[in-house]
Amino acid sequence: GAVVSQHPSRVICKSGTSVKIECRSLDFQATTMFWYRQFPKQSLMLMATSNEGSKATYEQGVEKDKFLINHASLTLSTLTVTSAHPEDSSFYICSANEVTLTEAFFGQGTRLTVV
Amino acid sequence: DAKTTQPPSMDCAEGRAANLPCNHSTISGNEYVYWYRQIHSQGPQYIIHGLKNNETNEMASLIITEDRKSSTLILPHATLRDTAVYYCIVRVASFTGGGNKLTFGTGTQLKVEL
Repeated sequence: GAVVSQHPSRVICKSGTSVKIECRSLDFQATTMFWYRQFPKQSLMLMATSNEGSKATYEQGVEKDKFLINHASLTLSTLTVTSAHPEDSSFYICSANEVTLTEAFFGQGTRLTVV
Repeated sequence: DAKTTQPPSMDCAEGRAANLPCNHSTISGNEYVYWYRQIHSQGPQYIIHGLKNNETNEMASLIITEDRKSSTLILPHATLRDTAVYYCIVRVASFTGGGNKLTFGTGTQLKVEL
């Protein structure tokens, strides 16, 4: 299957700082990528849809000014958590689709801990 | 997307078949059944999907009832590495990126034991 890579896999940051997470499609082009968040013992919750060359679409309740998404190329989307607080500590996961396939492929996830 | 219902947890002995059920009684005619699994602290992994015919690949088999209101994912010879949360998702298959967002339910925690 198609490969999606996330970086970093783990990050610890101080409260008030910003953290950038990268999501890359390694062997295909993805016009759309998705960002999910998962709290402990809970399911994945979709945060936003990242569209190459245009603004991201955010799900209800997700602050677009706090979670900045940039999808500047067909193989890279970034999620920046701005002014992070301990309650933003979570597992962030991206997914992308290869245009000829209907199944989504996921990155390995990024564990964010805000201290 | 149609809602799905799965048991919260199941146990399976290593080497035996694991049969994971999923109810999707409100599924529409153009909606597919997708299965993903998530091993602890990893991103979800695609397993299989189908519309109405049974499907098999190197990972699993998918059995969909004739009325399409339920399905079963079968791992024919479960191993310890198959311990994971398994998600059954029903959605319209789309070749356009925007149509491929997934709505995850709570899934089934499968525990494979010796």
